[in-house]
Amino acid sequence: ETAVFQTPNYHVTQVGNEVSFNCKQTLGHDTMYWYKQDSKKLLKIMFSYNNKQLIVNETVPRRFSPQSSDKAHLNLRIKSVEPEDSAVYLCASSYWGGDTQYFGPGTRLLVL
Amino acid sequence: GQQVKQSSPSLTVQEGGISILNCDYENDMFDYFAWYKKYPDNSPTLLISVRSNVDKREDGRLTVFLNKSGKHFSLHITASQPEDTAVYLCAAGAQGTGSKLSFGKGAKLTVSP
Repeated sequence: ETAVFQTPNYHVTQVGNEVSFNCKQTLGHDTMYWYKQDSKKLLKIMFSYNNKQLIVNETVPRRFSPQSSDKAHLNLRIKSVEPEDSAVYLCASSYWGGDTQYFGPGTRLLVL
Repeated sequence: GQQVKQSSPSLTVQEGGISILNCDYENDMFDYFAWYKKYPDNSPTLLISVRSNVDKREDGRLTVFLNKSGKHFSLHITASQPEDTAVYLCAAGAQGTGSKLSFGKGAKLTVSP
């Protein structure tokens, strides 16, 4: 099956903990993205990588760090989570310069 | 600030009618415009997109209209069906920005039988 896969689906943690989210795409794309969908349902780009290279880094807190081992994987680590980090994190992929971004099912994070 | 705005958060249309969803943008550099469909608890899926060199694109029941001077684009769905009920997100991007897309907040379309 070719798609964008994310794990976990859902994660509950406490303030100050570290979390990691995984994303893998089997579509053969060379560009991957992390988006954050906040409580107001607004989808905002956080990072994008092309062939393991960071291309876009929006203004996000330094506790967020993306990690790419190859062009098919882009993970997201959050050190010391805070309540405002509660959101749905969506991973997407595309060809570089391509029009269509394919999204994963999202990881819902709840910080207590 | 928010670069792409959907001013109407919801719309209800009778089955068979035309659904019109609107989107306004601020960035003059945007040259790619898209509509995504999002079912509840599902990720967004691209419906239709258009580049700035055209002002209209049709695909079946879907048509995107682009008004660059007005910084506005819209999605028209003809012969609306109950299965069209979903949240629709508009998105825009610019070349040279690493394929970065800016999304609107979404608009909930309900097609009633």
